[in-house]
Amino acid sequence: SAVISQKPSRDICQRGTSLTIQCQVDSQVTMMFWYRQQPGQSLTLIATANQGSEATYESGFVIDKFPISRPNLTFSTLTVSNMSPEDSSIYLCSAGHSDTQYFGPGTRLTVL
Amino acid sequence: EDKVVQSPLSLVVHEGDTVTLNCSYEVTNFRSLLWYKQEKKAPTFLFMLTSSGIEKKSGRLSSILDKKELFSILNITATQTGDSAIYLCGSYSGGGADGLTFGKGTHLIIQP
Repeated sequence: SAVISQKPSRDICQRGTSLTIQCQVDSQVTMMFWYRQQPGQSLTLIATANQGSEATYESGFVIDKFPISRPNLTFSTLTVSNMSPEDSSIYLCSAGHSDTQYFGPGTRLTVL
Repeated sequence: EDKVVQSPLSLVVHEGDTVTLNCSYEVTNFRSLLWYKQEKKAPTFLFMLTSSGIEKKSGRLSSILDKKELFSILNITATQTGDSAIYLCGSYSGGGADGLTFGKGTHLIIQP
């Protein structure tokens, strides 16, 4: 299994600002993903973080709003840009090999 | 569009009861189905199922996949209050961005 850490664990931000969330894995993994979980909802995939190239976004998510970096096999960042209260959510990083994914502890974001 | 449907959405039982949680899926190029337990923020991995009819077991939890009927069940026997959580089912397909498509989850409450 992979041990995944995320920071910050939580933040309260003002409308119009941006926040970058970091995800660190304790071993090299082939796949890293970012999910969002809005209050009372299930997890929704935002994008696949591709090492050394642009992320692959799901329908409804765009790079300008959620820029993602993955400079190596163990680290990725997700930025939530120009935030609005609708972006208040838990953001989760997941990582793994083949068909098994493990999740980080999540970042609870509140936008005022 | 890939779809995962879980039922029931919520369930309240008494300690010691046995529960069965259901998950049906319609995904492109199905590869595997995963079950997670979510108590606070991060889902924790329970099972990965790829083959029909082979039961996976971990303590009081077990799960099985039926690829013909496109569903899976998660059984919990002799439930304890610590089993109270949201149980998420996710399907991994070979199409799209290769992340998991999740159902809405089953909110399980075990009463003492």
